[in-house]
Amino acid sequence: SQKIEQNSEALNIQEGKTATLTCNYTNYSPAYLQWYRQDPGRGPVFLLLIRENEKEKRKERLKVTFDTTLKQSLFHITASQPADSATYLCALYNFNKFYFGSGTKLNVKP
Amino acid sequence: DGGITQSPKYLFRKEGQNVTLSCEQNLNHDAMYWYRQDPGQGLRLIYYSQIVNDFQKGDIAEGYSVSREKKESFPLTVTSAQKNPTAFYLCASRGGTRNTGELFFGEGSRLTVL
Repeated sequence: SQKIEQNSEALNIQEGKTATLTCNYTNYSPAYLQWYRQDPGRGPVFLLLIRENEKEKRKERLKVTFDTTLKQSLFHITASQPADSATYLCALYNFNKFYFGSGTKLNVKP
Repeated sequence: DGGITQSPKYLFRKEGQNVTLSCEQNLNHDAMYWYRQDPGQGLRLIYYSQIVNDFQKGDIAEGYSVSREKKESFPLTVTSAQKNPTAFYLCASRGGTRNTGELFFGEGSRLTVL
C-alpha cells in the first residue's frame, strides 16, 4: 500500500518566519494530495488540496507544492504566528482511499 | 450547523466487551470513513463506505465491524477480538467530487480499555 513519510521531529521556528514541512510518498502518484491541520484531541481540519497536474497552490499565508518526479510535497506557512502551532498531516487520495502521514508538529515561538 | 458528530467523546471498556462508536453526518455526503490514530502515528483506515448498504475493509479491519443502513450514519463496533483497542477513533465524510473531495472529520472518540 501507499507509504507516506513526514518528519516525525517537531519543527520549532520563530514567529514571523516561514515554516516548511515535507511530505514524501512511495509507490504510485496519487490523484491528489491534501494537507490537514490537527490540534491536540481534535479531528483534523482540511487546509489545501493540490492535484497531480498542478505544481503549486496558494491560500492566504499557505503554499503547497507538488513534485511527482521527486514524489514530494512541500507545505509552507509564511509569516508564521503562534496560533499556527499544531500538527500538520499530509494525505494522498487514490482508489477511494485516503492515506495519511504521521504528521509533523509545528511550534511557533513568539 | 452541518458537520460530523461522534459520540461518546470518551469511552471506557472492560476487556471482552464490545462497544459501538456513533458517527452521524448531516452534510449529505455519500462516502464515510473510520480511522484509528495512535500516539505519534498517522491515521490508519479501518473501514470505509462509498454508499448506503455497502462498505469495504481498510488496512486494519480485523476486530472491527460497521454498518451503513442510512446515509447519515456509519457506526463502528469495536469487538472483543480487537487485541489492542485503546486509541483515538476518527470518523469522516468526503465532500466535493471524486477528483476534489476533502474529508470532514468529527471530534473523535477516545476509547480506553481497562
